[in-house]
Amino acid sequence: QVQLQESGPGLVRPSETLSLTCTVSGDSISSYYWTWIRQPPVKGLEWVGNVYHSGYTDYNPSLKRRLTISVDRSKNHLSLRLTSVTAADTAIYYCARAPRGSSNPMALDRWGQGALVTVSS
Amino acid sequence: QSVLTQPPSVSGAPGQRVTISCTGSRSNIGAGFDVHWYQQIPGTAPKLLIYGNVNRPSGVPDRFSGSKSGTLASLAITGLQAEDEADYYCQSHDNSLSASLFGGGTRLTVL
Repeated sequence: QVQLQESGPGLVRPSETLSLTCTVSGDSISSYYWTWIRQPPVKGLEWVGNVYHSGYTDYNPSLKRRLTISVDRSKNHLSLRLTSVTAADTAIYYCARAPRGSSNPMALDRWGQGALVTVSS
Repeated sequence: QSVLTQPPSVSGAPGQRVTISCTGSRSNIGAGFDVHWYQQIPGTAPKLLIYGNVNRPSGVPDRFSGSKSGTLASLAITGLQAEDEADYYCQSHDNSLSASLFGGGTRLTVL
């Protein structure tokens, strides 16, 4: 049974960089496409970006200037890096899986439990 | 204001049928992009409920069904149960925005 686990600092200072890792166990990361989704406290879901098995990425235009998503096949994990954060980036960040070959929008059939990141001084 | 519009809340008594709408436009649902639906019980991660407008993943009861026509997608839940109380989100893609989108979410209350 595949499992996804997000990890990273729970507190980030304003203007600094938010970095998260999603470790995949029980299956190869190369077999799927991957997505980051975030959810501000008591709000709805927001698509952050996709990374495909080839390493190609697709980002939310509102975050594109600050965002990097990558895959490390040797460690079977994916990473998210968001620079110059503000309080508006405070959210639960989820990684999620989509079947390889999916077209937009990708149906996300497995999710991690999420990692809360608070941006505050 | 979400590009995909959902009612903030719906409610129904146990055993009843409810529907949740997801209204888009010609640049997303109306452009032919699929709609997926997710169920999120508060405090937990979302769960895929319907994919490709009408398909149920393995393990999802057939009480849940999806439909799509024009710029409108809908999720129907029949035989409401207390465990269905959750937030429901639709998802699609928008050509103009070049982004995947979620609706604002609908809170289902089982009376």
